[in-house]
Amino acid sequence: GAVVSQHPSRVICKSGTSVKIECRSLDFQATTMFWYRQFPKQSLMLMATSNEGSKATYEQGVEKDKFLINHASLTLSTLTVTSAHPEDSSFYICSAPGGFNYGYTFGSGTRLTVV
Amino acid sequence: EDQVTQSPEALRLQEGESSSLNCSYTVSGLRGLFWYRQDPGKGPEFLFTLYSAGEEKEKERLKATLTKKESFLHITAPKPEDSATYLCAVPETGNQFYFGTGTSLTVIP
Repeated sequence: GAVVSQHPSRVICKSGTSVKIECRSLDFQATTMFWYRQFPKQSLMLMATSNEGSKATYEQGVEKDKFLINHASLTLSTLTVTSAHPEDSSFYICSAPGGFNYGYTFGSGTRLTVV
Repeated sequence: EDQVTQSPEALRLQEGESSSLNCSYTVSGLRGLFWYRQDPGKGPEFLFTLYSAGEEKEKERLKATLTKKESFLHITAPKPEDSATYLCAVPETGNQFYFGTGTSLTVIP
């Protein structure tokens, strides 16, 4: 089945630094990758959609310059949280359409803690 | 505005005590309703897709059903390992998903 590998699973960084999160589709090509953020006891909120070879599409209220998305190949999408602040601490999850009839495949998530 | 609402927010069951989780939706032109299971600190895991009213799907102790306005996830004789948050989701435009807020299920031994 379709597998999306997400790294790192946990990261702690200092306020003001940048953090990169990677999502790789392991056994299929993902021309589109969705990035979600999830706060404790809340559902997944779509942040942006990355498209291979073109600019990402951001949801309303999501800062493009803060959450940099790159989708340079058919198997890799990255999310970089720039100049991180404590309020950016959250659970970030990527997802790719690995076959619509079988649901979208999610990465295992990244717990970001900014101190 | 399209909405997906899940209830209850949290559910505690004794092992073996069957129950149902609800997902109601108001999206127009439903293009499928998806159920996922999410364990703490992990990404959602796909369970079922339902496309038309009257459709049912089963997997072990779980059975998902769909009507024109809502979907139910029935859990029969649950075990502690069924404890998780169950999310339903419907596709929006551009292959995006709109997720419900989830039901946190705890099964007590």
